[in-house]
Amino acid sequence: GDSVTQMQGQVTLSEDDFLFINCTYSTTWYPTLFWYVQYPGEGPQLLLKVTTANNKGISRGFEATYDKGTTSFHLQKASVQESDSAVYYCVLGADSGYNKLTFGKGTVLLVSP
Amino acid sequence: EAAVTQSPRNKVAVTGGKVTLSCNQTNNHNNMYWYRQDTGHGLRLIHYSYGAGSTEKGDIPDGYKASRPSQENFSLILELATPSQTSVYFCASGDGGQGRKEQYFGPGTRLTVL
Repeated sequence: GDSVTQMQGQVTLSEDDFLFINCTYSTTWYPTLFWYVQYPGEGPQLLLKVTTANNKGISRGFEATYDKGTTSFHLQKASVQESDSAVYYCVLGADSGYNKLTFGKGTVLLVSP
Repeated sequence: EAAVTQSPRNKVAVTGGKVTLSCNQTNNHNNMYWYRQDTGHGLRLIHYSYGAGSTEKGDIPDGYKASRPSQENFSLILELATPSQTSVYFCASGDGGQGRKEQYFGPGTRLTVL
């Protein structure tokens, strides 16, 4: 079945630091990769969607791409802010009939001022 | 205005009791989903639905039932709640049909089974 491995459980940065979160995926379907963000007390919300390998998704200063050869995808931001503190999930979307999403375990991002 | 709402937001239940978690969506999406979120596991799919009257098992359906009486409403039912079902539960909605589409999540229900 589909699977996602999210490498970092927690990342601690200072404001204006560079953020990089990496995941690997496994699927027999043609993948779409998502990044979801979850703030305390809320449900996950879509941050980025990348439908084609090596294409870049951009939103709110975040960038994401995926590499089909290495089955990896990553999220980056050049300069994080304290307001970016949240849990970030890499998510695999497969071409199954019910649009199944497979979530990684999440990365807790803590940004100190 | 919130498009996916859940009730209750917090629930304390006793072991062996029946618990019903409710979800309502105004997105007019065909598909709805129930997940649970536990530390170290991310979100895991319990049940999903293609439309009114349909329910399907997800990856971890044991101990849970679901009901989809209308396009807008999707319930998760714990007939005999156990402490292992203590978790945060999220409902989501999404478009049906082919393609890899995003899902839209509610704010979650925190369930504690004593």
